[in-house]
Amino acid sequence: GAGVSQSPSNKVTEKGKDVELRCDPISGHTALYWYRQSLGQGLEFLIYFQGNSAPDKSGLPSDRFSAERTGGSVSTLTIQRTQQEDSAVYLCASSLYGTGHYNEQFFGPGTRLTVL
Amino acid sequence: SQQGEEDPQALSIQEGENATMNCSYKTSINNLQWYRQNSGRGLVHLILIRSNEREKHSGRLRVTLDTSKKSSSLLITASRAADTASYFCAASGGSNYKLTFGKGTLLTVNP
Repeated sequence: GAGVSQSPSNKVTEKGKDVELRCDPISGHTALYWYRQSLGQGLEFLIYFQGNSAPDKSGLPSDRFSAERTGGSVSTLTIQRTQQEDSAVYLCASSLYGTGHYNEQFFGPGTRLTVL
Repeated sequence: SQQGEEDPQALSIQEGENATMNCSYKTSINNLQWYRQNSGRGLVHLILIRSNEREKHSGRLRVTLDTSKKSSSLLITASRAADTASYFCAASGGSNYKLTFGKGTLLTVNP
């Protein structure tokens, strides 16, 4: 596809349930990122993938959050035992390279997660 | 803490006027990127300026960077109603892959 795609676009879940969010980056992009946007916190970095490896997971807020990337392409962000404070828009981005001056990050449309 | 801080938080102008948004950051950067966001969803990449550049143009957009003041500005000339959106600056620092965003400027262009 031409851009970064994410699914689902909206997810409503009950507190305590697990959710999986999917990201399809731009073809050929080696780097993939997850961010979270919430009213109180703005846009926060969660995790960075270079290929299938995650050299930086420092932004994951708790051990209930995990992510993986397979085949250097699709990534899944999993939130276990969701809490109401997990409600946010989860944004995925990809870039051609993870480092260097031209690491423009291109974002997907996001997944709006609501935890009841 | 936030690396980028935009100023003003909100800006309302008439169509045809110019809009200027400012961004300040705290630590040294490799580049600074500006994004637009409509209706709280996906971010659209507008422009990237490297730390060794002082000014960059793209269509009606002009971005400046002053590393001595740790600040950047985004100028939108001849604004249109369709420019109504939130605008964010994002700093790419030492690690060079992690973007640290400001809280954004909400621009409203009135027809």
